[in-house]
Amino acid sequence: AQSVTQLDSHVSVSEGTPVLLRCNYSSSYSPSLFWYVQHPNKGLQLLLKYTSAATLVKGINGFEAEFKKSETSFHLTKPSAHMSDAAEYFCVVRTSGGYNKLIFGAGTRLAVHP
Amino acid sequence: DGGITQSPKYLFRKEGQNVTLSCEQNLNHDAMYWYRQDPGQGLRLIYYSQIVNDFQKGDIAEGYSVSREKKESFPLTVTSAQKNPTAFYLCASSIGDRLATGELFFGEGSRLTVL
Repeated sequence: AQSVTQLDSHVSVSEGTPVLLRCNYSSSYSPSLFWYVQHPNKGLQLLLKYTSAATLVKGINGFEAEFKKSETSFHLTKPSAHMSDAAEYFCVVRTSGGYNKLIFGAGTRLAVHP
Repeated sequence: DGGITQSPKYLFRKEGQNVTLSCEQNLNHDAMYWYRQDPGQGLRLIYYSQIVNDFQKGDIAEGYSVSREKKESFPLTVTSAQKNPTAFYLCASSIGDRLATGELFFGEGSRLTVL
């Protein structure tokens, strides 16, 4: 069965320092993986996606993620945090087979301090 | 501007009452979805519809009902049979069916509180 685990429920960084949000997945097939961002009381927005092309994926707002098959990981990074990055981030895996379904991780809440 | 509109944004319900959450999209997307979000949990799929007049149960459909009479609209009814309805509800849509791209477009959500 496919699943996704976000290793940190909360991450706190200072403005201008790097961001690392960790995600591990479990999949019997070559997975499709996504990161979504949710600002408070808002809907989710797609940040980036991996679908078996380049292993380093660039997204919006300076975020990127690297697919590492050997580690079954898809960690989200940003070189320098901005106050506007404070939000909740969800790692998502798409199941394959008869029906495609998205499985969401529990989320990581990112706090950015001045 | 194209997008998904959910209403109401906040809703309070007494136990035993049914409530309906509205979801309208003008993106011309075929597929629409309802998710439930609880604190500390990922999104869970309630119902989805790939085409007008057709819909399927998701992972947690018990106590909910939907209709898809128009392409633009996918209302969700939370019935009195739903044991723990207090949650944040998110409506989404996607281009085509079967989540080929994995990209969902979300509304801003409706927060339901049962008193």
